[in-house]
Amino acid sequence: GAVVSQHPSWVICKSGTSVKIECRSLDFQATTMFWYRQFPKQSLMLMATSNEGSKATYEQGVEKDKFLINHASLTLSTLTVTSAHPEDSSFYICSAHGTGENIQYFGAGTRLSVL
Amino acid sequence: QQQVKQSPQSLIVQKGGISIINCAYENTAFDYFPWYQQFPGKGPALLIAIRPDVSEKKEGRFTISFNKSAKQFSLHIMDSQPGDSATYFCAASIERGSTLGRLYFGRGTQLTVWP
Repeated sequence: GAVVSQHPSWVICKSGTSVKIECRSLDFQATTMFWYRQFPKQSLMLMATSNEGSKATYEQGVEKDKFLINHASLTLSTLTVTSAHPEDSSFYICSAHGTGENIQYFGAGTRLSVL
Repeated sequence: QQQVKQSPQSLIVQKGGISIINCAYENTAFDYFPWYQQFPGKGPALLIAIRPDVSEKKEGRFTISFNKSAKQFSLHIMDSQPGDSATYFCAASIERGSTLGRLYFGRGTQLTVWP
């Protein structure tokens, strides 16, 4: 199956700093990518939908100025958590699907710990 | 509002037994129903999926049963193994042509298979 690479897998940062998470489709072109947040023992919560070359669509309650999403190419989307605070600590997961694909492929996730 | 309701929240099964997880939905526009398996610290992986034109789909030990009139679908894991211990998520989506739309996830079922 197709591979989605997410980097880094784990990041620790100080409160007030910004963190960038990358999501790459390795062997296909992803026209749409999705960013999720998952708390321990809970389901995936969709944060935003990212389409290549256009602005991301954020879900209700998700601060677009805090969670910056860029989908500049067909193989790369980035999520930047700006001015991170301890409450932003979570597991962030991206997924992608390409043109003509009816399957979403998920990255391995990024565990963010904000001290 | 939870678009897809999943039960049970947790399930303990003896090795060799059958694991059954149920999901229900309300939106009759949903036409794609995947199941994902997630191990701790990893992203979800597609296990099996069904569309409403069939009532059952089997892949190895995994079977999806689909009841369109009841708006319910379930995952059956036959001959459950300790390696199947993971969290399982059902999901639903509206396919638009060849593009997969947003996935609505159930809350997840934590399956433990005892040896």
